[in-house]
Amino acid sequence: AQSVTQLDSHVSVSEGTPVLLRCNYSSSYSPSLFWYVQHPNKGLQLLLKYTSAATLVKGINGFEAEFKKSETSFHLTKPSAHMSDAAEYFCVVSDPGQGGKLIFGQGTELSVKP
Amino acid sequence: SQTIHQWPATLVQPVGSPLSLECTVEGTSNPNLYWYRQAAGRGLQLLFYSVGIGQISSEVPQNLSASRPQDRQFILSSKKLLLSDSGFYLCAWSRGQGGKTQYFGPGTRLLVL
Repeated sequence: AQSVTQLDSHVSVSEGTPVLLRCNYSSSYSPSLFWYVQHPNKGLQLLLKYTSAATLVKGINGFEAEFKKSETSFHLTKPSAHMSDAAEYFCVVSDPGQGGKLIFGQGTELSVKP
Repeated sequence: SQTIHQWPATLVQPVGSPLSLECTVEGTSNPNLYWYRQAAGRGLQLLFYSVGIGQISSEVPQNLSASRPQDRQFILSSKKLLLSDSGFYLCAWSRGQGGKTQYFGPGTRLLVL
């Protein structure tokens, strides 16, 4: 069965410093992996996705993630945090064995201090 | 381009009252449609998904039901709301026939009192 673990429930950074949100997955298939962002009381917005092409995936708003099969990781990074990056971030794996259903991590809340 | 709409945006309902939340998608045909619930401080739980008109799969037993009367319309309903039905309800769509990426609507905040 597929699963995803977000290693930090809350991350706090200062504006202008790097962001690292950690995600590990478990999959018996070649996975499709996603990062979504959710601002308060909003729906989820797709940041980026990995679907077995390049292992370094660039997304919107300066975010990127690297797929590392040997470490079963898909960590999200950004070189310099902006105040508007404060939100909840979800790491997600698609389960092809169940018709492409999404398996969500529990989320990481990112706070950005001025 | 495709867009997904949900309404209402917020809803306050008494316990025991009925519920109807609507989701519509524009700009695509025969999408897969999904209903999720997000309880406070938790991740998303898939409630229902549909691969076509009248085809509904339920993920968890609960007080809710779903219907898909038209290709791009997905409705979440309840005959009698419970306090535990409170939450943030999100509709999502993906391309049919193996589309992996899901795109989410703006959500409906439901408070049952």
